Amino acid sequence: QVQLQESGPGLVKPSETLSLTCTVSGGSISSYYWSWIRQPAGKGLEWIGRIYTSGSTNYNPSLKSRVTMSVDTSKNQFSLKLSSLTAADTAVYYCARDSSVWYDSWGQGTLVTVSS
Amino acid sequence: QSALTQPASVSGSPGQSITISCTGTSSDVGGYNYVSWYQQHPGKAPKLMIYDVSNRPSGVSNRFSGSKSGNTASLTISGLQAEDEADYYCCSYSSSSTLVVFGGGTKLTVL
Repeated sequence: QVQLQESGPGLVKPSETLSLTCTVSGGSISSYYWSWIRQPAGKGLEWIGRIYTSGSTNYNPSLKSRVTMSVDTSKNQFSLKLSSLTAADTAVYYCARDSSVWYDSWGQGTLVTVSS
Repeated sequence: QSALTQPASVSGSPGQSITISCTGTSSDVGGYNYVSWYQQHPGKAPKLMIYDVSNRPSGVSNRFSGSKSGNTASLTISGLQAEDEADYYCCSYSSSSTLVVFGGGTKLTVL
């Protein structure tokens, strides 16, 4: 069964750029979409965007101007960059395997706090 | 405000059945059979319970079932057990520029 693990800083300053990586193990990253989803404390899930292993991307329009996703198939990894951070970006960030708009494998999540 | 509307909370006693609704529009829930449901226990990642409206992944109890009528999808849990107490989220493909929309979540309490 495929496993996902997020990695990246837990604390980022306002106006800076967040960089997160998701490492996929137990299976190939190829031929799937891979998504990032976040959840502020006590709130619901928000889809950030997804990337296919070809590099094709779809982003949430509300975040599109600040989001960049990339994939490294040689490392079985995909990544998220979110720029111009504010306190509103504080959340648990999940990576997930996207099987046609349903998510059957999730990372454990990583808490990102935006604070000076 | 979430794109899909779910009740904030539902409750039921052990052994009973409950249903959680998820209301969208013809651009998402009503227009496509791409509705999925997730269970989330506190501090844990969401777990896929239903996909494509009514399909259960391997390993998910058959006490969980999904359906759709018009712009509203539903998750039914029969034979409630204490371990079912969790937050539940619906999700749908959307033909709008957003592509993927989630419900606000429903807290299930097993009395």
